[in-house]
Amino acid sequence: GIQVEQSPPDLILQEGANSTLRCNFSDSVNNLQWFHQNPWGQLINLFYIPSGTKQNGRLSATTVATERYSLLYISSSQTTDSGVYFCAVERWGNTGKLIFGQGTTLQVKP
Amino acid sequence: AAGVIQSPRHLIKEKRETATLKCYPIPRHDTVYWYQQGPGQDPQFLISFYEKMQSDKGSIPDRFSAQQFSDYHSELNMSSLELGDSALYFCASSLTGGAEGYTFGSGTRLTVV
Repeated sequence: GIQVEQSPPDLILQEGANSTLRCNFSDSVNNLQWFHQNPWGQLINLFYIPSGTKQNGRLSATTVATERYSLLYISSSQTTDSGVYFCAVERWGNTGKLIFGQGTTLQVKP
Repeated sequence: AAGVIQSPRHLIKEKRETATLKCYPIPRHDTVYWYQQGPGQDPQFLISFYEKMQSDKGSIPDRFSAQQFSDYHSELNMSSLELGDSALYFCASSLTGGAEGYTFGSGTRLTVV
């Protein structure tokens, strides 16, 4: 099956710092989403981004489908950004089955 | 905007008991998916339904069953619960074919004691 690798696995930032999270995937995909799982376990949809670039406030994401990777940028990080960031992909022809990466655990210190 | 509603939020059951989790998708969404997330793990796909018919199946134990009703809500039934079933259970919904992506509910945290 398709492999999804996220890096780094863990990240500690000082409040106000910027960061880049990476997601590599091993096969063509028709869907890629970034999620933030907060300390209460909720999975918050950040971006639906099978290709291209999107921005939402301090967050932005870029997916280069032909090179099979996606990047999530967090600028001016805040303590509320702490949690686990998951990249999830859906392989072409396998509708509905999101395959998640192992996640990047982010801790933002005040 | 309306989100995916899951109930209950928390559930504590004893071994060998039965549990039922409910999911109400976003209005207009016709497809529902169930995922299981064990402690420290990433979410794993269990099963999906499109227009009340099972559309795909992942690593779902035979002790688990699910269905989607005429109003598109879905229920996940788990019998003969085991300690290893303790996990976060997420429901997600989407438009046909996953157009515009998948929206997840807040999850049900099941603890089996």
